[in-house]
Amino acid sequence: DQQVKQNSPSLSVQEGRISILNCDYTNSMFDYFLWYKKYPAEGPTFLISISSIKDKNEDGRFTVFLNKSAKHLSLHIVPSQPGDSAVYFCAASDKSGGSNYKLTFGKGTLLTVNP
Amino acid sequence: DSGVTQTPKHLITATGQRVTLRCSPRSGDLSVYWYQQSLDQGLQFLIQYYNGEERAKGNILERFSAQQFPDLHSELNLSSLELGDSALYFCASSGEGLNHHGYTFGSGTRLTVV
Repeated sequence: DQQVKQNSPSLSVQEGRISILNCDYTNSMFDYFLWYKKYPAEGPTFLISISSIKDKNEDGRFTVFLNKSAKHLSLHIVPSQPGDSAVYFCAASDKSGGSNYKLTFGKGTLLTVNP
Repeated sequence: DSGVTQTPKHLITATGQRVTLRCSPRSGDLSVYWYQQSLDQGLQFLIQYYNGEERAKGNILERFSAQQFPDLHSELNLSSLELGDSALYFCASSGEGLNHHGYTFGSGTRLTVV
């Protein structure tokens, strides 16, 4: 049972345009959400996060939106750059374990930004 | 350099064999997590250790085991290897509680079973 779903395996956009990556979750106990970026031959690296008490968090070109009622979050990249080409993982954490939190990851979306 | 060190980077072995993957967490981090990334399967959680003790278990096969040593490094042991065990294995570490950036990942060990 996949609790975090990224239904688009891949996305291709033109340089300078907006990239929108989507993520859906099923577990209502999730209260913190993160996006990681992964280049080939490297481990995932943290990109941006959002707490369930917010509906938007912005960091430079990256903005994450959270719609709790729809159990949906999205990552917007504006403007997209060729260096953004990577696999993006959505992850969620719940507080059921207290300090023993565990991240549940989606399968990832491969973003390709074309020059 | 993320601060999480995984060795070896690549491993090629035959079916039926046993291998050990090693992870040194970021300085000060007490939790170590192991993840498996197979083709089209995303990051599958295997197991978590906190300060030497097992804290959580995911979809880890009985042929796999792990431990965390007093110096906090961790080893993932994979035995009776099958072709389907070929994957990227990532180690991640974190401190106590959830900080805003979650885990810090190592660069992974690519295991190929032939």
